[in-house]
Amino acid sequence: ETGVTQTPRHLVMGMTNKKSLKCEQHLGHNAMYWYKQSAKKPLELMFVYNFKEQTENNSVPSRFSPECPNSSHLFLHLHTLQPEDSALYLCASSQERTSTDTQYFGPGTRLTVL
Amino acid sequence: DQQVKQNSPSLSVQEGRISILNCDYTNSMFDYFLWYKKYPAEGPTFLISISSIKDKNEDGRFTVFLNKSAKHLSLHIVPSQPGDSAVYFCAATNSGTYKYIFGTGTRLKVLA
Repeated sequence: ETGVTQTPRHLVMGMTNKKSLKCEQHLGHNAMYWYKQSAKKPLELMFVYNFKEQTENNSVPSRFSPECPNSSHLFLHLHTLQPEDSALYLCASSQERTSTDTQYFGPGTRLTVL
Repeated sequence: DQQVKQNSPSLSVQEGRISILNCDYTNSMFDYFLWYKKYPAEGPTFLISISSIKDKNEDGRFTVFLNKSAKHLSLHIVPSQPGDSAVYFCAATNSGTYKYIFGTGTRLKVLA
């Protein structure tokens, strides 16, 4: 596998379910990001990890819980979501956490909350 | 309030002609700009970037122009090819941060 991979690619869940999204990067990068893209809205940064430490929580509700066990893996744990949380969730990584280090994106997980 | 705007949600261009995608920003602190391309069912892929110390950057068929006084950047694709059909996002950031602010995207369709 190369680049940034995300699983699952599609997820349908009820509001009372608990599920997790997984991201893995094979680029040797040190920074990883979670973004949310809702319909007709720009990508919104949710969380940033740098060397496994969370450095950014962009006022994300606590029903989204990130986890970064190592620099290559990033999870987003979901529980008691709302229908308005239905969106495309994108993971990205960059060599370092700087503005000029290009962020490379995974294919995303399309989440539908019923 | 959107700091990065792509006012054209879609654009159709004939194969071989020039495609021009536009992006406006409001924050004068932005000093680094990027364009990403996104195909359906794939994540955005990096295309080209430009620093505010330049007004033009070229990579093959892709050229990005930056007009700082107008807070405007544009992506030119010459010649356009059917494989260029995708959604194009511009993003802006400040060298003091790592946060990218994205526009809503422009869907380009290149007609054969």
